[in-house]
Amino acid sequence: DVKVTQSSRYLVKRTGEKVFLECVQDMDHENMFWYRQDPGLGLRLIYFSYDVKMKEKGDIPEGYSVSREKKERFSLILESASTNQTSMYLCASRLTGGAGGYTFGSGTRLTVV
Amino acid sequence: AQKITQTQPGMFVQEKEAVTLDCTYDTSDPSYGLFWYKQPSSGEMIFLIYQGSYDQQNATEGRYSLNFQKARKSANLVISASQLGDSAMYFCAMRDSPGYTGNQFYFGTGTSLTVIP
Repeated sequence: DVKVTQSSRYLVKRTGEKVFLECVQDMDHENMFWYRQDPGLGLRLIYFSYDVKMKEKGDIPEGYSVSREKKERFSLILESASTNQTSMYLCASRLTGGAGGYTFGSGTRLTVV
Repeated sequence: AQKITQTQPGMFVQEKEAVTLDCTYDTSDPSYGLFWYKQPSSGEMIFLIYQGSYDQQNATEGRYSLNFQKARKSANLVISASQLGDSAMYFCAMRDSPGYTGNQFYFGTGTSLTVIP
């Protein structure tokens, strides 16, 4: 069964902390994505990566960075967490081209206090 | 400009009835794909159905069908014979543009569907 695994389901961090959200996929997908989901705003793209060590900014990259050292792993980094980064974070992956959709992880609900 | 618009924040439907969830999209690319996802309260995103821009027929997957009206740029999801387990958030999404950037999906704001017994 193909999978996208996010390391934490729930996370509580303090303001100013450096936070790492990890995502691992076992489908050999080239493309990986980080979204945040907020009520009434839908899913907004933070960053994506189409290859190892390659990254592209999405619509809301401010306050975030990413790392993709290996094909299967895509990490989202909050350099200095703030309360407005409290949200649900969804990781997804996809093959390049074709009609295939995203495969999503189960999400990480991050609370910054 | 919004690429995907879902105008119904919340919908109610009686069990066993059909329901239509609206989605309009905006793209100038002739090649694009449209997707619907379901998100139950547990949070995982479940792929439901896909429609390609060149597909001649409306997509169907079991109780789900996609009413694709290309000229109107609409891709409404129809759920027939609603079940209590259909209560969830539903997101419409689009992929456009070839090349590596074309792997990005654009999502609507979602519709919360509640099925009433």
